Amino acid sequence: NAGVTQTPKFRVLKTGQSMTLLCAQDMNHEYMYWYRQDPGMGLRLIHYSVGEGTTAKGEVPDGYNVSRLKKQNFLLGLESAAPSQTSVYFCASRGQGKHYGYTFGSGTRLTVV
Amino acid sequence: GDSVTQMEGPVTLSEEAFLTINCTYTATGYPSLFWYVQYPGEGLQLLLKATKADDKGSNKGFEATYRKETTSFHLEKGSVQVSDSAVYFCALRRADNNDMRFGAGTRLTVKP
Repeated sequence: NAGVTQTPKFRVLKTGQSMTLLCAQDMNHEYMYWYRQDPGMGLRLIHYSVGEGTTAKGEVPDGYNVSRLKKQNFLLGLESAAPSQTSVYFCASRGQGKHYGYTFGSGTRLTVV
Repeated sequence: GDSVTQMEGPVTLSEEAFLTINCTYTATGYPSLFWYVQYPGEGLQLLLKATKADDKGSNKGFEATYRKETTSFHLEKGSVQVSDSAVYFCALRRADNNDMRFGAGTRLTVKP
């Protein structure tokens, strides 16, 4: 059981380049999330999805786009990367119900130079 | 809005010492409360949870009790090990919310 898989694990981008981070889960979870983690700031929600074909903005959505075309996949896109987007990105998923915790991926470390 | 406040770290303890990491929250209604642990270079892992007042969550020797009257969910362990060195996050989620609110995290270092 793989859980939540994120690709790539590491990436270096130049300012202005674009890229897509892929998150895949094999637990048939409805809900999926993208967070960024920065030193001293904890986890901040970028975008999330409550089911296939749906997306919604989180706390820090600017500069990012997402898509959930298939239930098991949640893509995070950066159209024009900026140094302020240097961070560690985590994807998470959960099942329905108040009592479910999240299952996290192992993260993508992105550096924008 | 909902929020979680954790004690600031870093926390440094000797092996076999007693651990307490304080967590208090602000939320309407009756949220579920969680502790997550993040080991170096990894994602967060669910450590324990409690879903109603006076519930005690426990796992791997760690415990936390949901205290509605003090809006707290403090993490405790009686005897820490070097392998417990990690960052610990307190979090909450209400039934009518789609996302979880996390505290800033507390870094724990256990020395042999």
